Amino acid sequence: GNSVTQMEGPVTLSEEAFLTINCTYTATGYPSLFWYVQYPGEGLQLLLKATKADDKGSNKGFEATYRKETTSFHLEKGSVQVSDSAVYFCALSPFNDYKLSFGAGTTVTVRA
Amino acid sequence: DAGVIQSPRHEVTEMGQEVTLRCKPISGHNSLFWYRQTMMRGLELLIYFNNNVPIDDSGMPEDRFSAKMPNASFSTLKIQPSEPRDSAVYFCASTRGRTTYEQYFGPGTRLTVT
Repeated sequence: GNSVTQMEGPVTLSEEAFLTINCTYTATGYPSLFWYVQYPGEGLQLLLKATKADDKGSNKGFEATYRKETTSFHLEKGSVQVSDSAVYFCALSPFNDYKLSFGAGTTVTVRA
Repeated sequence: DAGVIQSPRHEVTEMGQEVTLRCKPISGHNSLFWYRQTMMRGLELLIYFNNNVPIDDSGMPEDRFSAKMPNASFSTLKIQPSEPRDSAVYFCASTRGRTTYEQYFGPGTRLTVT
């Protein structure tokens, strides 16, 4: 079946530090990959996506590259801000399918 | 544009009571999803509607849970009778199309069953 495994948290960083959250997946065929972010008290928002191998998704300084050879989609940001404190979810959707499979989520706290 | 609207935002009820959660999807979206989020199980898809028709309800925990979508702008998730293990945050999400990528989530309803 389809599944997503992401780095366990919580992760605590200082402002301007480099952030990496690891995500690996198991899926048949060619899934689409996503990072969603959940700010405190809110629903999930799509942060970025990649729909085929070697695609790089980017948004708000975050980026992730779809690596089919390592079945990974790691999230990175070069310089985090306090406002980046949130829970980050890696997710996949099989080709031509509506279902999203989410990872467990990684809580990130950025301190000033 | 208004996002996905859910009500109530918080619900506290006693075991055995009926609970109804409400969702208004984004106008023009024809797919709607109900999710449940708990610490133990993470995010789980409960049910998926397309054009107001339930397509996949395999995630609905048991017969105590039911969902309806009487029209394109409204959906309900009902739990009757409620149990303490139903305590969770319930999210509604909507999107365009039958197979698509970006789901727009509502703010969620935090349900506590005592």
